[in-house]
Amino acid sequence: EAGVTQFPSHSVIEKGQTVTLRCDPISGHDNLYWYRRVMGKEIKFLLHFVKESKQDESGMPNNRFLAERTGGTYSTLKVQPAELEDSGVYFCASSQRIGGYEKLFFGSGTQLSVL
Amino acid sequence: AQSVTQPDIHITVSEGASLELRCNYSYGATPYLFWYVQSPGQGLQLLLKYFSGDTLVQGIKGFEAEFKRSQSSFNLRKPSVHWSDAAEYFCAVGVYNNNDMRFGAGTRLTVKP
Repeated sequence: EAGVTQFPSHSVIEKGQTVTLRCDPISGHDNLYWYRRVMGKEIKFLLHFVKESKQDESGMPNNRFLAERTGGTYSTLKVQPAELEDSGVYFCASSQRIGGYEKLFFGSGTQLSVL
Repeated sequence: AQSVTQPDIHITVSEGASLELRCNYSYGATPYLFWYVQSPGQGLQLLLKYFSGDTLVQGIKGFEAEFKRSQSSFNLRKPSVHWSDAAEYFCAVGVYNNNDMRFGAGTRLTVKP
């Protein structure tokens, strides 16, 4: 069974440009999460989808970030326009209820560098 | 709100030596506690978790962790480290859903031959 896949693995862009990150969750997982890790800091929650609906987007830093999950399958996270402080690793995770809790399955992340 | 501190940014141990990675949390009630590992090019993988019950929990790859309420700690241990354990380790504390999970800043483990 395929795990959570993220594309691209690395992205280098200039300040002011637009970047779109993609996440394909494990098939059948309704819950999808985006997290971000700024260099050397903790991993922080960005938002949570249940199927195609945004359940919680309280972690989104500002309106330059737009996340979508059309059809409740894959998700995209667009940053427009990108700023220097957006650099970091963006993780996607999907979850499955196992033994009474939602176990997270993480992708390998997208390393975003804004120059 | 809950928070997690991993005091050690980077630890180096020799292969075969024992390992302890520290994690301290802040939360008013009994938390859900997790340890994740990220190997190069891989996603975060759950090593073990504590919800309730026995305070010593066993995980995958020979890891264990002990919940000590009096010290607000959940340290990760392994009696004998293998070269393949070189990775970054994250402690996390949750409340009741993944939206509220708080991760530490991570500890990078280097294993010397």
